[in-house]
Order: sequence, then C-alpha cells, then structure tokens
Amino acid sequence: DAKTTQPPSMDCAEGRAANLPCNHSTISGNEYVYWYRQIHSQGPQYIIHGLKNNETNEMASLIITEDRKSSTLILPHATLRDTAVYYCIAPSGGSNYKLTFGKGTLLTVNP
Amino acid sequence: GAGVSQSPRYKVAKRGQDVALRCDPISGHVSLFWYQQALGQGPEFLTYFQNEAQLDKSGLPSDRFFAERPEGSVSTLKIQRTQQEDSAVYLCASSVPGYEQYFGPGTRLTVT
Repeated sequence: DAKTTQPPSMDCAEGRAANLPCNHSTISGNEYVYWYRQIHSQGPQYIIHGLKNNETNEMASLIITEDRKSSTLILPHATLRDTAVYYCIAPSGGSNYKLTFGKGTLLTVNP
Repeated sequence: GAGVSQSPRYKVAKRGQDVALRCDPISGHVSLFWYQQALGQGPEFLTYFQNEAQLDKSGLPSDRFFAERPEGSVSTLKIQRTQQEDSAVYLCASSVPGYEQYFGPGTRLTVT
C-alpha cells in the first residue's frame, strides 16, 4: 500500500465546510484513494474513492491533485454527527483487499 | 437490507479461555475480512476470505488465532488461550469483489 500522511486532528464549525488533507506521494498509477470514517464505538464507514478525477457523492467530495500525490476530502456542510476519525487509504490491491488504516484524522465539529 | 452483524457485541474472557466471535456478512458478499482494533489505534488487517477460501491470513498475530468460513457466508474468528494483549475490538467487513467494504459494529473483547 502507498503510505498516507494525515494530520492527527482538525476542528470545524458546524455548518461550515470541512477540508481534510491527505498526502500519498508514493502512490502508483493504478492505486485508488479511499476514504473511510469511524464514528466513536462504530465500525468504519466507506465515504468515497477516486483514481485521478475529482469525485462527488451524497456524503462528500474528493479532490485529487493532478500529480496524484495528495487529495482532500470535503464535507460541504459539516454537522455534529460528522465528528469522527477519517482515514485516507491507498490499498495496492484495491478495496477488495486488506485496508491499512493508519491513525487517521480526528475531525471535531463544534457547535 | 441488513448490514454486517457481529455477535456477541461484548465479550469478557478470563486469561486462558477460548473465545469464538461470529460475523454475519451482507447476503451475497463474496469477500469477508477480519480486523483487530486496539484502543486508540486504527483497525489492523487479520485475514481475508473469498467465499469459503481463506486467501490471506498474514495478519493473524499468532497460531492461537483461527478463522473459518465453511459455507462461504457466516465466519467465526476463534482465539485460543486468550491473553491480555488480545483485548481489542474485532471488526468484520464484507464486500462484493472490487467494491467498498462494509463493516460491522465490532465485538469488544476484554481479557481479564
């Protein structure tokens, strides 16, 4: 798996956009970037994934730089329920294989 | 439909006891994964099944850990002679090949 680097923690005000960065400078051309999150006392939850194009779904947007060395997960209007640990993962075997989670970013959404 | 379910949700075992943790994946999901999550850490991969075949068990920490999925659906993770360092949350995930993994709520194992 490509090594990913994320800040240990971030804060965001409720209703504002949360922008979570991830560095993956060693990512190879065929490795996707996946984002999962884990709300306290729950199992991880898939959010979004992408290869080189920006992606958007009902939960979030994923912006991947042109050189693919970094990406940003955007939660457009953060709510208190978005408080969680967010993991950026670049599995070499795709999502249909083991995921290496690391420590992720603890996002705290404040009222 | 129903998500991944795990049982029991909480298990307390005395050191040296054997435990069995159950995972019911989403119906039709061919792939099944087990992860171990220590307190304050991210989940760590233990083992992977495709149908009933265990294709990767490289993450199992010792030969006290054993996983099976005999009919390609329900899976059981067994830990023999539990030790205090086995205390963790054990997570199960399932997926359709090539798609994202869906996780269960986990089983919290405490070894006293």
